[in-house]
Amino acid sequence: NAGVTQTPKFRVLKTGQSMTLLCAQDMNHEYMYWYRQDPGMGLRLIHYSVGEGTTAKGEVPDGYNVSRLKKQNFLLGLESAAPSQTSVYFCASSYRFGGVEQYFGPGTRLTVT
Amino acid sequence: QQQVKQSPQSLIVQKGGISIINCAYENTAFDYFPWYQQFPGKGPALLIAIRPDVSEKKEGRFTISFNKSAKQFSLHIMDSQPGDSATYFCAAGNTGSARQLTFGSGTQLTVLP
Repeated sequence: NAGVTQTPKFRVLKTGQSMTLLCAQDMNHEYMYWYRQDPGMGLRLIHYSVGEGTTAKGEVPDGYNVSRLKKQNFLLGLESAAPSQTSVYFCASSYRFGGVEQYFGPGTRLTVT
Repeated sequence: QQQVKQSPQSLIVQKGGISIINCAYENTAFDYFPWYQQFPGKGPALLIAIRPDVSEKKEGRFTISFNKSAKQFSLHIMDSQPGDSATYFCAAGNTGSARQLTFGSGTQLTVLP
């Protein structure tokens, strides 16, 4: 099992450009999450999904959109990148029932210039 | 709005010493309190977790102490080792709410050899 994978690992964008981050999990998890990690801020939830075709806003959703067309994939989109979106982005997934552990991917480091 | 406050921001401990990291929460609806460990360049990984119906949980050298009335919980690392050097995040969640987690700001632990 690969667990949770994220692509790309690194990306540099110019202000105003758009991009999509891809998260994939092979554990058949129902729930998936996108976080951003900034120094001194911990991890903050951007958006999450409780199942295929459903998404919801987290703590810091502005400037981001998400889609979950397939159970195993969760996409995070930046429509018009801003320097304030420079961060490390982590995807996570968890079961709906049973264990509550969230399993994290290796992260995507995004720089917006 | 920071619902989980973590301290200290950084901690330096000698090999064999005890590392203590503290967290406080505000939302009494939280019913799950995990600690995550993160090494540089990696995603966070679950270290140990506790439910509010117990006051202490121990797994090897790692212990969570939980004080429900004070809304505080802490991680104790006994016999700290250089390999424990990492960033530690406390978190709090409600297992009935899409298993969302609210993370503390993190503690960078350095264990000197």
